[in-house]
Amino acid sequence: DAKTTQPPSMDCAEGRAANLPCNHSTISGNEYVYWYRQIHSQGPQYIIHGLKNNETNEMASLIITEDRKSSTLILPHATLRDTAVYYCIVRVKGGYAGGTSYGKLTFGQGTILTVHP
Amino acid sequence: EAGVVQSPRYKIIEKKQPVAFWCNPISGHNTLYWYLQNLGQGPELLIRYENEEAVDDSQLPKDRFSAERLKGVDSTLKIQPAELGDSAVYLCASSLVASLGNEQFFGPGTRLTVL
Repeated sequence: DAKTTQPPSMDCAEGRAANLPCNHSTISGNEYVYWYRQIHSQGPQYIIHGLKNNETNEMASLIITEDRKSSTLILPHATLRDTAVYYCIVRVKGGYAGGTSYGKLTFGQGTILTVHP
Repeated sequence: EAGVVQSPRYKIIEKKQPVAFWCNPISGHNTLYWYLQNLGQGPELLIRYENEEAVDDSQLPKDRFSAERLKGVDSTLKIQPAELGDSAVYLCASSLVASLGNEQFFGPGTRLTVL
């Protein structure tokens, strides 16, 4: 699975948009971009994923550049409860075939997002 | 619907003692994962089950760690004997069918402290 690069930390004011960047310049054509977050003392939580088109759900939007070498997770109106570590992960969709397991989530160190009042 | 359940939430033991962690995945989820998370780091996969079969245990230190998922539902991860360096959070996750790239749902984890 391709490696990702994220800033170690970011700050955001409550109510403003939080834009979290991720570089994945070695991403392969069949690899997806996944975002998870981990609030203190909890397990990671899935946010969103995409292949090449921009995606939006009730939690966030994912913008993937045309060359797919980078992406941005957007929390449109950040709240204090969005303070967490955000992980950007690229992977093929998981599976198991021919005795080989593939597509595991490989977490980096993520970005610590702090939302201020 | 209940999420992934793990117990205990916290465990303190002395080195060389055995310890076991239990996980009950979300009902109907075929795939179950155990992760290890050291302080300040992202989770690292230890083992993945498809139903009762361990399909990826390449990162599991087999000299002291073992896991089982006998009936393809709940699972137990054991360490025997525990070492100081095993102090970490042990996370369990589950997903519907791994091959569809379904999101993984994580439990709250068990925080292990080895003294």
